[in-house]
Amino acid sequence: GAVVSQHPSWVICKSGTSVKIECRSLDFQATTMFWYRQFPKQSLMLMATSNEGSKATYEQGVEKDKFLINHASLTLSTLTVTSAHPEDSSFYICSASRVYGQGNQPQHFGDGTRLSIL
Amino acid sequence: AQSVTQPDIHITVSEGASLELRCNYSYGATPYLFWYVQSPGQGLQLLLKYFSGDTLVQGIKGFEAEFKRSQSSFNLRKPSVHWSDAAEYFCAVGGPGTASKLTFGTGTRLQVTL
Repeated sequence: GAVVSQHPSWVICKSGTSVKIECRSLDFQATTMFWYRQFPKQSLMLMATSNEGSKATYEQGVEKDKFLINHASLTLSTLTVTSAHPEDSSFYICSASRVYGQGNQPQHFGDGTRLSIL
Repeated sequence: AQSVTQPDIHITVSEGASLELRCNYSYGATPYLFWYVQSPGQGLQLLLKYFSGDTLVQGIKGFEAEFKRSQSSFNLRKPSVHWSDAAEYFCAVGGPGTASKLTFGTGTRLQVTL
């Protein structure tokens, strides 16, 4: 259990294009999902916390108008990179925690999306 | 502020040898600690977690980790490494609740020689 699916796994597009990445929790509900960015051979940097039915909380330095997050249901969050440029090329990973009573649950990660902007 | 330090950027071990990956954390309250593994081009898989209770936790794939509060450490161990264990390993710290943010270490790349 606790499977998180991310789509697409790889996208290549022209500069100026907007790209949408989906993150789905397949077998559990998640009120909170997280979006990370990972540069080659580096660690994960949290971009934003996505909350179902409310606005996302962005980390300092992350442009909320550039990285639009929507969490419309308990199983789906989307990240849209608007007017993408080559510097936005990166590996984007989402995660979700299962809603399970009042207990603490670890974050489960998707397989990531490699975004390449030409 | 919370932080995680993984002192070893790259470790090479022979298949069948034992392994210990170091992790030190800084957290203002009771930490929730995690080890994740990442294969190239993939997402992260949870190996094990520590929330409370027994300080020696068992995970998947034969891994274990020990929480030592006095040393602010959460080192990952495996008695006998397999070639398939070659990957990037991340230690992370967070707080209680499903909305708690995680802070990751910089990762340790494990290479296994045959």
